Amino acid sequence: AQTVTQSQPEMSVQEAETVTLSCTYDTSESNYYLFWYKQPPSRQMILVIRQEAYKQQNATENRFSVNFQKAAKSFSLKISDSQLGDTAMYFCAFMITYNNNDMRFGAGTRLTVKP
Amino acid sequence: DGGITQSPKYLFRKEGQNVTLSCEQNLNHDAMYWYRQDPGQGLRLIYYSQIVNDFQKGDIAEGYSVSREKKESFPLTVTSAQKNPTAFYLCASRGWKAGGRDIQYFGAGTRLSVL
Repeated sequence: AQTVTQSQPEMSVQEAETVTLSCTYDTSESNYYLFWYKQPPSRQMILVIRQEAYKQQNATENRFSVNFQKAAKSFSLKISDSQLGDTAMYFCAFMITYNNNDMRFGAGTRLTVKP
Repeated sequence: DGGITQSPKYLFRKEGQNVTLSCEQNLNHDAMYWYRQDPGQGLRLIYYSQIVNDFQKGDIAEGYSVSREKKESFPLTVTSAQKNPTAFYLCASRGWKAGGRDIQYFGAGTRLSVL
């Protein structure tokens, strides 16, 4: 069974600084996708970034980037130039390529950006 | 605008009562999902449907039922058999984003509480 672990229940960062959220996963599969979702106080889940396991290049989306270490089964999210609007719960998620109906989520990291 | 609409935003259930959560999407997606979110835990899959008139159980289907009579609609019924229904419920649909990326889109959720 696939599991996703987020070891940091809560984190905080000063506005304009950089923060990294950790995620590790456990799987015997070689083809899969990894995701970071953001859930702001409105509770609406928003996709932040997506990584295909077969790609060696780390995904980036504006101020958001990942550090994907396949051998270590690690998938951290880096937020640069943090903004107050980045305050949210962040969920790491995993999905096997051939079973796109089974997405596994970590427990989440609550990030607070302080002014 | 295309999206997923969940209603109501807040719902209260009395003991022994069945309640139904609505989920409607106008994204023309075939696949739809129901997740349960509890504090300190990630999202857990209740049911999913890949096509009209077909649905499959997820990890925590006991005490819940669904129907998929229309492509746009995937209502979830929380039955009296669900002994701990208090949670936040998220509906999602899956489709292709520009660039060939298959991702899940989420509604804003329904908060269910027991009176």
